[in-house]
Amino acid sequence: GNSVTQMEGPVTLSEEAFLTINCTYTATGYPSLFWYVQYPGEGLQLLLKATKADDKGSNKGFEATYRKETTSFHLEKGSVQVSDSAVYFCAPSFMNRDDKIIFGKGTRLHILP
Amino acid sequence: EAQVTQNPRYLITVTGKKLTVTCSQNMNHEYMSWYRQDPGLGLRQIYYSMNVEVTDKGDVPEGYKVSRKEKRNFPLILESPSPNQTSLYFCASSFSSSRDTQYFGPGTRLTVL
Repeated sequence: GNSVTQMEGPVTLSEEAFLTINCTYTATGYPSLFWYVQYPGEGLQLLLKATKADDKGSNKGFEATYRKETTSFHLEKGSVQVSDSAVYFCAPSFMNRDDKIIFGKGTRLHILP
Repeated sequence: EAQVTQNPRYLITVTGKKLTVTCSQNMNHEYMSWYRQDPGLGLRQIYYSMNVEVTDKGDVPEGYKVSRKEKRNFPLILESPSPNQTSLYFCASSFSSSRDTQYFGPGTRLTVL
C-alpha cells in the first residue's frame, strides 16, 4: 500500500548550518508531494510542493525535488535560522479511489543561536 | 481573510459526555478533513469529505462521527468520549481534493478525563 517514511527527530543544528530532512514514499501511482510546517502552538501550513517528477518546490529558502527514481522528496535549506525551529511534515497525496493524503510522523527541528 | 476556524480551542471533558468540535471555512472549498495529532504518531486522518453529503472514513474513524450538511461546515462529533481520544485535533480544507494544498485550522486541544 501507499506509505511515507520521514527522518525521525529531533534534529538540532546551529544557526547557518545546512539542513536535510529525508522523506521517502511507496506508491502504486504518482502522488503529489508536499512539505508542511508547524510552528509552536499553530496549525500546519504549506511550506512547498511538487506535482510531477523532477519538479522542484521552493519557499523561504527551503527546497525539495520530486525524485521519481528514488521515490524521495528530501527537504533542504542551505543556511537555517532560529526562526526555522518547527516541526516539518512530509505528505504525499495519493489520488486513488480513496483520495487520501498521508502525513509523515514529523521531524522536530531546533536551531540554536 | 481566508481561514479555517475551529471551536473550541481547548476543551476538558469527562468520559461519556457527548461533544462537538466545529469547523468552518470561508474559501468555498469542497474537500474537508479531520486529523488528530499525537506524540510519536504524527498526524492521522479521522474522516474526510469530498463534498456536501459525502463523507468517508480515514485511518482512525472509530469513536468519531462527522456530517457535511453545508459546504462550509464540517463538525466532528464524539458521541461517548474516552480518555484515549485525548489529543490535538485539526480541521483542514482544500479546493477539491487531497492533491490540493491543505489549509489547516488552529487546532483543538481535547482532554477526556
